[in-house]
Amino acid sequence: DAGVIQSPRHEVTEMGQEVTLRCKPISGHDYLFWYRQTMMRGLELLIYFNNNVPIDDSGMPEDRFSAKMPNASFSTLKIQPSEPRDSAVYFCASRVAGQGATEQFFGPGTRLTVL
Amino acid sequence: AQSVTQPDIHITVSEGASLELRCNYSYGATPYLFWYVQSPGQGLQLLLKYFSGDTLVQGIKGFEAEFKRSQSSFNLRKPSVHWSDAAEYFCAVGGPGSARQLTFGSGTQLTVLP
Repeated sequence: DAGVIQSPRHEVTEMGQEVTLRCKPISGHDYLFWYRQTMMRGLELLIYFNNNVPIDDSGMPEDRFSAKMPNASFSTLKIQPSEPRDSAVYFCASRVAGQGATEQFFGPGTRLTVL
Repeated sequence: AQSVTQPDIHITVSEGASLELRCNYSYGATPYLFWYVQSPGQGLQLLLKYFSGDTLVQGIKGFEAEFKRSQSSFNLRKPSVHWSDAAEYFCAVGGPGSARQLTFGSGTQLTVLP
């Protein structure tokens, strides 16, 4: 398996523009997570899905952020309009359901810079 | 609410020396514990995990960790560090329910001297 795939790897945009980050989870995984990593706040969970349904979006910072998972193999995180403080690395992760310490598999991340 | 503390922001060791990275957690039940490593510009890779059983857990790349319930700790160790181990290390605790949402510590940056 190719692992979790994220695109683009780097995104540079100007304040006010719409940004869309994409994620393809590992096939067969039931959960998908979006994280944001910054120097100030570390790794924060933004939202997660179970079987394509958003379960907990309490980590989404503002209404400017939205996430969708139209099918089991694709998810997007959208920021509209973007602001400089949104600059961060955004990670997508997926895992299978089940008991025990099943791990989350992380993608390589998208480094977003908002000018 | 669950939380993780990694008290050491930055650690420097010489190649070949032993390593211990500290992790303390706060969680109301039996914790699911993880150590991840992040190399520059990369995603997070799982080193090892613990839920139950033997409290000494072996992972990849020669790492191990010991769960100590009485100390609420899950410290990561390696007997002999290699230059390629230079990276950032994150301890995480998995939450309740089937989602096992992860709460991460702030990370420890490891520098390895030649």
